[in-house]
Amino acid sequence: EDQVTQSPEALRLQEGESSSLNCSYTVSGLRGLFWYRQDPGKGPEFLFTLYSAGEEKEKERLKATLTKKESFLHITAPKPEDSATYLCAVLNTNAGKSTFGDGTTLTVKP
Amino acid sequence: GAGVSQTPSNKVTEKGKYVELRCDPISGHTALYWYRQSLGQGPEFLIYFQGTGAADDSGLPNDRFFAVRPEGSVSTLKIQRTERGDSAVYLCASSSRGAHTQYFGPGTRLTVL
Repeated sequence: EDQVTQSPEALRLQEGESSSLNCSYTVSGLRGLFWYRQDPGKGPEFLFTLYSAGEEKEKERLKATLTKKESFLHITAPKPEDSATYLCAVLNTNAGKSTFGDGTTLTVKP
Repeated sequence: GAGVSQTPSNKVTEKGKYVELRCDPISGHTALYWYRQSLGQGPEFLIYFQGTGAADDSGLPNDRFFAVRPEGSVSTLKIQRTERGDSAVYLCASSSRGAHTQYFGPGTRLTVL
């Protein structure tokens, strides 16, 4: 059974204080790993897809990386508007469904 | 362009009642997914359609839950004899043919009293 574990559950940062969120996964065959951002009361918003170990993607202050066992979402010089829950999900090569982690709730204080 | 839409945004019902939740995917998207999300948890897979047929319904918790997509576009999630444990946000997502990225709607918050 596919499993996704995200850590930490919650992270509080000062504005400008860089950090990383972790997503550890177990999957029989990885078709893709996805990062989403979710604001309170809204649906998840797509950020990145990573397909193979060593791949990296960047968007503004966010950078996602992938190894064979985990993915990191690096946040550089965060701003208060980056405050949200960040979700990681894996898609198995043998299935159409995604398995999600429980997310990391990021709070960035000005 | 228009994203995934879901109606209603909120639904309050009484235990034992029947409810229908609607999802309008992004135009042209062939795949449609339903998830359920409880507070503080990630989305939990329920069912996945490719076109009109359910390609994987392994996440439906029991036979009170049923979903249809008769014309390969709009989908309805149906819950019979609702229970308090069914209270959650029900999310719908869609993706285009051959692509893996799922785009989510805003969700329907279901509360069973």
